[in-house]
Amino acid sequence: QKEVEQNSGPLSVPEGAIASLNCTYSDRGSQSFFWYRQYSGKSPELIMSIYSNGDKEDGRFTAQLNKASQYVSLLIRDSQPSDSATYLCAVAIDRGSTLGRLYFGRGTQLTVWP
Amino acid sequence: GAVVSQHPSWVICKSGTSVKIECRSLDFQATTMFWYRQFPKQSLMLMATSNEGSKATYEQGVEKDKFLINHASLTLSTLTVTSAHPEDSSFYICSARGWLLAGVSTDTQYFGPGTRLTVL
Repeated sequence: QKEVEQNSGPLSVPEGAIASLNCTYSDRGSQSFFWYRQYSGKSPELIMSIYSNGDKEDGRFTAQLNKASQYVSLLIRDSQPSDSATYLCAVAIDRGSTLGRLYFGRGTQLTVWP
Repeated sequence: GAVVSQHPSWVICKSGTSVKIECRSLDFQATTMFWYRQFPKQSLMLMATSNEGSKATYEQGVEKDKFLINHASLTLSTLTVTSAHPEDSSFYICSARGWLLAGVSTDTQYFGPGTRLTVL
């Protein structure tokens, strides 16, 4: 069973704060990790991808990967009300019959209040 | 780059009719396309995976005779919901991955905007 777990929400932070979203995965063969943002009634949009241990920064977003501990996180600095959405963690194993398939967590709903 | 479109964006149909949803990759070659379904306030549920020119692989519990998937080209996949019933009402989303530029592949899935199906 390939499980992806996200910290239960909803998460509520004030504008300007740091929002921290966490995700753990069960399959040690996981190779690619993604964070998607999904606004209500819309489809997911890619925020970040990360493949190797460490931090990856893109603007206000930082993804962190620790394969030994099997977790990946997303930090949103200077949170804005427009960041309010559901954040989906996704993991790809890219082996054999699972080639290309993403395993999604249930998502963490983030609310940034002004 | 990496734009995926879906058509229609929403559709309302009568019970018993069939509905076709198109998914197109506009600026890259989609070697693999995925079809998801999402009910309100629930997570994405993968329905099937299709590779260009091959039969789709369906997830357990998804009826392949009810949800017909065709991926005949590197830019187009279609999902046909046959004999739709009210319980098929949902948000259907496709995603694609493949070759962004000649010789450059991506394992990232890019999502279409989704199609909201309502069956009366």
